[in-house]
Amino acid sequence: AQSVTQLGSHVSVSEGALVLLRCNYSSSVPPYLFWYVQYPNQGLQLLLKYTTGATLVKGINGFEAEFKKSETSFHLTKPSAHMSDAAEYFCAVSKNTGGFKTIFGAGTRLFVKA
Amino acid sequence: NAGVTQTPKFRVLKTGQSMTLLCAQDMNHEYMYWYRQDPGMGLRLIHYSVGEGTTAKGEVPDGYNVSRLKKQNFLLGLESAAPSQTSVYFCASSFRPGTGVGTEAFFGQGTRLTVV
Repeated sequence: AQSVTQLGSHVSVSEGALVLLRCNYSSSVPPYLFWYVQYPNQGLQLLLKYTTGATLVKGINGFEAEFKKSETSFHLTKPSAHMSDAAEYFCAVSKNTGGFKTIFGAGTRLFVKA
Repeated sequence: NAGVTQTPKFRVLKTGQSMTLLCAQDMNHEYMYWYRQDPGMGLRLIHYSVGEGTTAKGEVPDGYNVSRLKKQNFLLGLESAAPSQTSVYFCASSFRPGTGVGTEAFFGQGTRLTVV
């Protein structure tokens, strides 16, 4: 069974500092990997995704993530945090076996300090 | 395009009451999903559908039923609501993998359900 682990339920950074949100997955076959962001009282929206090809994926709002198969990781980074980045971030994994189901991590809430 | 639309947005139920949550998408997606979101637990898959007339169980299906009579609609039913079903419910949809288009899920705005 596939699963997703996000390290740290809360991460706090200063404005302008590096953002690093960690995600590790377990999957017996190469997965599809996603990062979603959720702002208060809203649904989830896609930040970026990895399906095939280049392992460094760039997304919206300056975020990027690198798929490292050897480490089974898909960490999300942004060089310089902005106040508007404060939100909850979810890593997700899916694969096209037994029905295409997307499994989500527990989420990491990002706080950005002025 | 409206994308994924959920109704209602808020609801309070008494224990034992029933209700149906409606999800509609206008993107011609084959796959549709119902998740519940609880603090510290992320999103957990309740049921999903890979096409009109088909449904399947997810991680936490007990106490819920679903139907997909039309491709654009996916209904989630609670036959006898319990306080443990207090949650925020999200519907999502996506294309079928392998179609050459993106495989990400598109989400509705959520339904906040309280069972008292």
